[in-house]
Amino acid sequence: DVKVTQSSRYLVKRTGEKVFLECVQDMDHENMFWYRQDPGLGLRLIYFSYDVKMKEKGDIPEGYSVSREKKERFSLILESASTNQTSMYLCASNPLTQGVKSIQYFGAGTRLSVL
Amino acid sequence: KQEVTQIPAALSVPEGENLVLNCSFTDSAIYNLQWFRQDPGKGLTSLLLIQSSQREQTSGRLNASLDKSSGRSTLYIAASQPGDSATYLCAVSPSNTGKLIFGQGTTLQVKP
Repeated sequence: DVKVTQSSRYLVKRTGEKVFLECVQDMDHENMFWYRQDPGLGLRLIYFSYDVKMKEKGDIPEGYSVSREKKERFSLILESASTNQTSMYLCASNPLTQGVKSIQYFGAGTRLSVL
Repeated sequence: KQEVTQIPAALSVPEGENLVLNCSFTDSAIYNLQWFRQDPGKGLTSLLLIQSSQREQTSGRLNASLDKSSGRSTLYIAASQPGDSATYLCAVSPSNTGKLIFGQGTTLQVKP
């Protein structure tokens, strides 16, 4: 089974702190994604990466950066956390392939509270 | 800009009923469409993926259909069970990059 592991289920941080959210997948997938999920707004794509050291902005990249130094790991960085970044963060991955094998696999999520 | 809409936002049915969840999208130029399930406070689990060239996919009691020309997909759940209670999300991929655009979901409650 594909496993996407997010390092923390719950995090509480203070305004202005630098925050790292880590995600690791064990299936050698090329593509990795970071989403945030908010009530009434659904899931929105923050950043995605299709290869090591490659990244592209999603729909809401402001206030975030990412790092992909190894294929299996994709990190989301909040340079200076703000209260409006309180949210559920979801990491996902899928292989660079076609057909039904391109389904996307999600981690369990990290619920971040910024006080 | 692609928009995905799911109606209704919430649905409550008695156990054993067959039900249909609806998803519509504004741009028919999609690569695939996926249905996901999300339990409270958890991540998403993929249920079915339909390629743009396909009309439907089936897995157990679930059947998903796709009508690309009209911008619609349905998820049919047969003989619903309390364990089916969850939020169901529809997402379209506009290209083969894997990027997904999500609807806001339908929260289903199946009462025993």
